[in-house]
Amino acid sequence: NAGVTQTPKFQVLKTGQSMTLQCAQDMNHNSMYWYRQDPGMGLRLIYYSASEGTTDKGEVPNGYNVSRLNKREFSLRLESAAPSQTSVYFCAIAGGHSYEQYFGPGTRLTVT
Amino acid sequence: RKEVEQDPGPFNVPEGATVAFNCTYSNSASQSFFWYRQDCRKEPKLLMSVYSSGNEDGRFTAQLNRASQYISLLIRDSKLSDSATYLCVVKGGGSYIPTFGRGTSLIVHP
Repeated sequence: NAGVTQTPKFQVLKTGQSMTLQCAQDMNHNSMYWYRQDPGMGLRLIYYSASEGTTDKGEVPNGYNVSRLNKREFSLRLESAAPSQTSVYFCAIAGGHSYEQYFGPGTRLTVT
Repeated sequence: RKEVEQDPGPFNVPEGATVAFNCTYSNSASQSFFWYRQDCRKEPKLLMSVYSSGNEDGRFTAQLNRASQYISLLIRDSKLSDSATYLCVVKGGGSYIPTFGRGTSLIVHP
């Protein structure tokens, strides 16, 4: 039971390149989220999916797109990476009575 | 006023000490409350939910004060392994989006 998995763990991109971050869960939770975390900034919500078939913008959606592929998978795409997108990206899931969140191990992205 | 506020610390305490963190929230309609722990360069991990009557899990005790809109975390008999950042999380009823505090840093030294 892995909970929440993310791939890749590390990535270096050049400015203008594109990539997709993958997130998958085996906890059968309805909601999935993408956050970024920068030093001194705390967690900031990029996009979320309350349930399969829906996605909504969070606090910092510009430069990103998402796809809720099915109940298990939620991907985050950077179409044209910029140095300002250098960050650690966390996927999270939520469900159940209290709707507490569980996080994946993160993807460390550097854009040069 | 920030929605969820925490003292960033760091709190520097010796092993065996008792330490307490507070977190204040601005939305009186908040329904769910949590403490998370985050180690350096790792993902946040759920430490405990916070219930209205207060709750305890081993050396950790969480309290909720709705009237004053704050939650607290008490750690007894601190261990070196307790060194981490502790995040306060608040969620409104019916909302899918929790609000995270920026965290309180705890350093436990020998």
